[in-house]
Amino acid sequence: EDQVTQSPEALRLQEGESSSLNCSYTVSGLRGLFWYRQDPGKGPEFLFTLYSAGEEKEKERLKATLTKKESFLHITAPKPEDSATYLCAGHNNAGNMLTFGGGTRLMVKP
Amino acid sequence: KAGVTQTPRYLIKTRGQQVTLSCSPISGHRSVSWYQQTPGQGLQFLFEYFSETQRNKGNFPGRFSGRQFSNSRSEMNVSTLELGDSALYLCASSLQHSNEKLFFGSGTQLSVL
Repeated sequence: EDQVTQSPEALRLQEGESSSLNCSYTVSGLRGLFWYRQDPGKGPEFLFTLYSAGEEKEKERLKATLTKKESFLHITAPKPEDSATYLCAGHNNAGNMLTFGGGTRLMVKP
Repeated sequence: KAGVTQTPRYLIKTRGQQVTLSCSPISGHRSVSWYQQTPGQGLQFLFEYFSETQRNKGNFPGRFSGRQFSNSRSEMNVSTLELGDSALYLCASSLQHSNEKLFFGSGTQLSVL
């Protein structure tokens, strides 16, 4: 059974304090590892897809990396508007469905 | 281009009733997936429809069902509602069945009393 685990569950940072979020996965025939951002009362917003170990993708203050067992979302010099829940999800080779982790709730204080 | 539209935004029902939720995908998208989100279980896959056919189904009881119309719009139905069905129901669309990039709607918040 596919499993995706995220840590920490919650993270409080000061504005400008860089950190990383972790996503450990066991996904059969991984076709892609996804990162989404979710704001309260809204659906998840797509950030990145990573397909193979060693791959990296960047968007503004966010950088996602992938190994054979984990993915990291690095946040450099975060701002209060980066506060949100960050979700990672694995896409297996059995069909068009994602297995989500529980998310990391990020709070960035000014 | 309009995003994924879900209606209604909020819904309150009582135990034993049934409910139908609606989803209009992004124009041109043919695959629609449904997910349930709760504080305890997180996001869980319900089912996916492509070309009016259910392609995948998650681990939910038969009370949860869905369908897709020829214009790719989708509905999901929950019969004999239970308190534990209270959740945010999210619809996501993608271009094709094998396209992993999902675009989510804002969801329907269902409360069962």
